[in-house]
Amino acid sequence: AQSVTQLDSHVSVSEGTPVLLRCNYSSSYSPSLFWYVQHPNKGLQLLLKYTSAATLVKGINGFEAEFKKSETSFHLTKPSAHMSDAAEYFCVVSVPMNRDDKIIFGKGTRLHILP
Amino acid sequence: NAGVTQTPKFRVLKTGQSMTLLCAQDMNHEYMYWYRQDPGMGLRLIHYSVGEGTTAKGEVPDGYNVSRLKKQNFLLGLESAAPSQTSVYFCASRTSGRGRSYNEQFFGPGTRLTVL
Repeated sequence: AQSVTQLDSHVSVSEGTPVLLRCNYSSSYSPSLFWYVQHPNKGLQLLLKYTSAATLVKGINGFEAEFKKSETSFHLTKPSAHMSDAAEYFCVVSVPMNRDDKIIFGKGTRLHILP
Repeated sequence: NAGVTQTPKFRVLKTGQSMTLLCAQDMNHEYMYWYRQDPGMGLRLIHYSVGEGTTAKGEVPDGYNVSRLKKQNFLLGLESAAPSQTSVYFCASRTSGRGRSYNEQFFGPGTRLTVL
């Protein structure tokens, strides 16, 4: 069975310090992995995606994530947090099925940035 | 390109009333999805469509119906609204092109529905 676990429902960091949002997945197949960001009262926007080309993936706004198959993880990082990074972040797994892919969302991590 | 648009943005219903939410996309995507978002639950799939004229049930389909008469539109209907359907509803679309699994979803801005 496929699943996604975001290990923290809330993360607080000070502005200018590193960000780490953790995501573990379970999949019987080789998955595609995504991180989306949702700012308050907005839709979801793609941050980055892993599609097997490279294990370290760079996204928008200075975010990156590393796919670690041995640890079944796809953690999201950023070297220095900015106030505008305050949002909810979703880790998503996509696994190929017959007619469409099985797309599974994590429950989200809300990132708080402290001044 | 407008991307994915949703109509309306807000709606308040009384229990038992019906309504239809409209999702439109101008990217010629084959796949379209309806999700609901509730606090602490992430996004849960209600129904989806892999092409014009086709629909399928997702994780939480009860109380909802959908139609995809045109490729660019995906309608979500509530026949008899209940307070448990108070939520934020998101539509998304995705291409089925080469490397299907790699293709991200594009989301609309959401519809905030309150059922009293």
